[in-house]
Amino acid sequence: SYELTQPLSVSVALGQTARITCGGNNIGSKNVHWYQQKPGQAPVLVIYRDSNRPSGIPERFSGSNSGNTATLTISRAQAGDEADYYCQVWDSSNWVFGGGTKLTVL
Amino acid sequence: EVQLVESGGGLVKPGGSLRLSCAASGFTFSSYSMNWVRQAPGKGLEWVSSISSSSSYIYYADSVKGRFTISRDNAKNSLYLQMNSLRAEDTAVYYCARDRNDYGDYAEGQAYWGQGTLVTVSS
Repeated sequence: SYELTQPLSVSVALGQTARITCGGNNIGSKNVHWYQQKPGQAPVLVIYRDSNRPSGIPERFSGSNSGNTATLTISRAQAGDEADYYCQVWDSSNWVFGGGTKLTVL
Repeated sequence: EVQLVESGGGLVKPGGSLRLSCAASGFTFSSYSMNWVRQAPGKGLEWVSSISSSSSYIYYADSVKGRFTISRDNAKNSLYLQMNSLRAEDTAVYYCARDRNDYGDYAEGQAYWGQGTLVTVSS
């Protein structure tokens, strides 16, 4: 079965740029989606199809996908961006989630 | 406004059964694929099952195949998950989630999520 690998945690200074990676075999050939989840809340879609932002998601959130790695980039990180982030792909009739990355804003 | 409201969670003994429901409103329910995703306490997201708009295509995670059944009633704008032979490892918050687009192409993830219902499997 397809696996997605994310770092357990990423830290970023307030106002700086955070990058969260999602590794998978030839993930560049798949559509990657990213979710933000804050404690006690449901996930929120922040990026779909590698690099598209749903309405209401700040431009500070961007995504890229190539080769074996997809990346979620959060520019000018704010305290409110502190959350768990999950990548997701559709593979062999299954939705697959990465293990999640806890973003800490220092 | 799109709303998804799950219900039916609770405490059940190992080997028992439970039926979850998800009431949808604010969109044309019959046009969208729907999904169940769960999250064990302190753990990450785990996809459980998906069903296409007309129920023609149904998919399950290996961890629940043969024990869980997803279904929908488009006339009632409702999604269901029948869970049988429950195990301790099925303990989780279960979310109902709607695909972002109505193309049925599984290409854009889930744009709307309910608040979840907690299922606890314990003796």
